[in-house]
Amino acid sequence: GAGVSQSPSNKVTEKGKDVELRCDPISGHTALYWYRQSLGQGLEFLIYFQGNSAPDKSGLPSDRFSAERTGGSVSTLTIQRTQQEDSAVYLCASTSGSPLHFGNGTRLTVT
Amino acid sequence: RKEVEQDPGPFNVPEGATVAFNCTYSNSASQSFFWYRQDCRKEPKLLMSVYSSGNEDGRFTAQLNRASQYISLLIRDSKLSDSATYLCVVIISGNTGKLIFGQGTTLQVKP
Repeated sequence: GAGVSQSPSNKVTEKGKDVELRCDPISGHTALYWYRQSLGQGLEFLIYFQGNSAPDKSGLPSDRFSAERTGGSVSTLTIQRTQQEDSAVYLCASTSGSPLHFGNGTRLTVT
Repeated sequence: RKEVEQDPGPFNVPEGATVAFNCTYSNSASQSFFWYRQDCRKEPKLLMSVYSSGNEDGRFTAQLNRASQYISLLIRDSKLSDSATYLCVVIISGNTGKLIFGQGTTLQVKP
């Protein structure tokens, strides 16, 4: 596709379960970002991949959160033992300079 | 202190009004600046980059004040369609290149 693709678009999970969120960036984009946005709040930086460099994980809120990017393309954000405060929209974006191109996000609800 | 701060608003203005938003950043090593626009329940999209000399795009003018560490966005002749949240974005020099988002300023243009 032409844009950043995220799946699933919506995910409802029970507290304590693990979830995986997927991001398929625009082909050829070297940089990939994950952000989180809670209702009525700004974007919270989570993690950033740039080419083959070690990812910048400085925004991950706890060790329950991890992400990987395989082959410099698709990325998976994993949240283990989900908590209610993890409920948010998780946005992925890619770029090869400017601007950032965002996906439509995954709306995660932890019940 | 947050790295990027914005007045969340909302700013309620009539059609045709001129409105300005400021965004302050705390890190003097910040090197690149952008304004993004986010519509309700949509992903952010680049509105304009902010250059040192200031730049204009139609009704929109962006300015950078490095001495006081803020950027501004001026919208002239507001339209109903300008109603959105405006996000200030900063890249810090020497950083990995991650984009830091402000929490956004909400604009409501009324008929």
